[in-house]
Amino acid sequence: NAGVTQTPKFQVLKTGQSMTLQCAQDMNHNSMYWYRQDPGMGLRLIYYSASEGTTDKGEVPNGYNVSRLNKREFSLRLESAAPSQTSVYFCASSEALAASSYNEQFFGPGTRLTVL
Amino acid sequence: AQTVTQSQPEMSVQEAETVTLSCTYDTSENNYYLFWYKQPPSRQMILVIRQEAYKQQNATENRFSVNFQKAAKSFSLKISDSQLGDTAMYFCAFWGQGAQKLVFGQGTRLTINP
Repeated sequence: NAGVTQTPKFQVLKTGQSMTLQCAQDMNHNSMYWYRQDPGMGLRLIYYSASEGTTDKGEVPNGYNVSRLNKREFSLRLESAAPSQTSVYFCASSEALAASSYNEQFFGPGTRLTVL
Repeated sequence: AQTVTQSQPEMSVQEAETVTLSCTYDTSENNYYLFWYKQPPSRQMILVIRQEAYKQQNATENRFSVNFQKAAKSFSLKISDSQLGDTAMYFCAFWGQGAQKLVFGQGTRLTINP
C-alpha cells in the first residue's frame, strides 16, 4: 500500500516551459487535492477534485490546470512556468468531501520545482 | 475567510524539556476541526493531533497534547519530554464545515538540541 505517490520528486524548468506533475493514490479515495508550499508559508490549496469527473479552484489557481484522469490519478499542469511558481508541490487525498465532518487528508512526499 | 496565525517562526529547546507552540485562528463557523501537522526534513506531512471544536476535552496523543481555548480562538500544542526526532516544522491547520478546505498557518520551526 503506497498511499499517495508523486512524480517527479525534483524538477528544474526554464521560464516558459511546460510540465505536468503526476499524483496517484491507492486508497480508493474519492477526493484529491493539490497544494503548494512556499518558504515561510503553510500549504495553500491550488485545485481540488471532490470526486471523479469534478475539479474546482482553490486559493491560488492562476497559472495551473488540473485533470482528474480517473479515481486514482490527479495531475497538475503548468502551461508556461514562471519563477513565481518555484515551490514545493504536495498532492493529497481523502475518502470524500463530507458536508458535516472532516475526512483526513493523506499527503504525498512532495515535488520540489525550481523555475529559472 | 478563515485565517490561521502562528506567531513563533522558530523555537529551540533541550532534549527532554517541554515546549509549547502557539496558534490562533479566526472563523465565524461553529463546526470545525483543528490540527497540528509535523513536517520533518523529509518533507512528509504527518498528522500529529486533531481537535473537534464541539469537544470540550483537549486532545492528547502520547507526548503531544493541545490546549484548545474556543472563546479565545487559540489552539496550542504541548510536546512533553521532547526528543531529537521531534525536530521539524510544525503547522497548525483549520478545516471548517462551510469552506471545507484545509487552511494552514505559516509554521514554526522547532529544533530539539541534545
